[in-house]
Amino acid sequence: GQNIDQPTEMTATEGAIVQINCTYQTSGFNGLFWYQQHAGEAPTFLSYNVLDGLEEKGRFSSFLSRSKGYSYLLLKELQMKDSASYLCATMDSNYQLIWGAGTKLIIKP
Amino acid sequence: IAGITQAPTSQILAAGRRMTLRCTQDMRHNAMYWYRQDLGLGLRLIHYSNTAGTTGKGEVPDGYSVSRANTDDFPLTLASAVPSQTSVYFCASSPGTGGSADTQYFGPGTRLTVL
Repeated sequence: GQNIDQPTEMTATEGAIVQINCTYQTSGFNGLFWYQQHAGEAPTFLSYNVLDGLEEKGRFSSFLSRSKGYSYLLLKELQMKDSASYLCATMDSNYQLIWGAGTKLIIKP
Repeated sequence: IAGITQAPTSQILAAGRRMTLRCTQDMRHNAMYWYRQDLGLGLRLIHYSNTAGTTGKGEVPDGYSVSRANTDDFPLTLASAVPSQTSVYFCASSPGTGGSADTQYFGPGTRLTVL
């Protein structure tokens, strides 16, 4: 079967660092995507990992371990505008995206 | 550059009525997708199209139909709406023809309520 797990909600403080985890079990694997979705808006692309390791892009980094079926999104120097839901999605053998339910990140001053 | 537009933004619909959600992209992307998003669940794929003239079924296709007469437009039709189709509907597109790990770009969504 196909399953993606991520925490429902997390809270962090402005200026701090937060790590959002995602574990997955999918039939076939063609990479893992992270998207950001502000309330009432469309998801927007953050990162894509297909090989093991860390991809850094400004304040955001994404890590993948294919052997463990595990990824995380690391957000540094948190800003109030980072309050959003973060969606983890894997691409299966048919190049279709399988989505997690998302993690709602609340940033407190 | 508009990217992807969807219409209407929101709609309240009586059960049993027919409804078409419109989606247009101006990026000349080959592949297009329709998802629904429900509270507590991940985005679920309804239908997709890898190129103009072709369509395929996703995870939850029942009660929905699509067409892809040209590259830009990908309408989603609910033939006879039911309350369980109350959801937020997102259209997305990607550059490739469905055989590669392309980034998908999303429209602003349509919030549909079926009473």
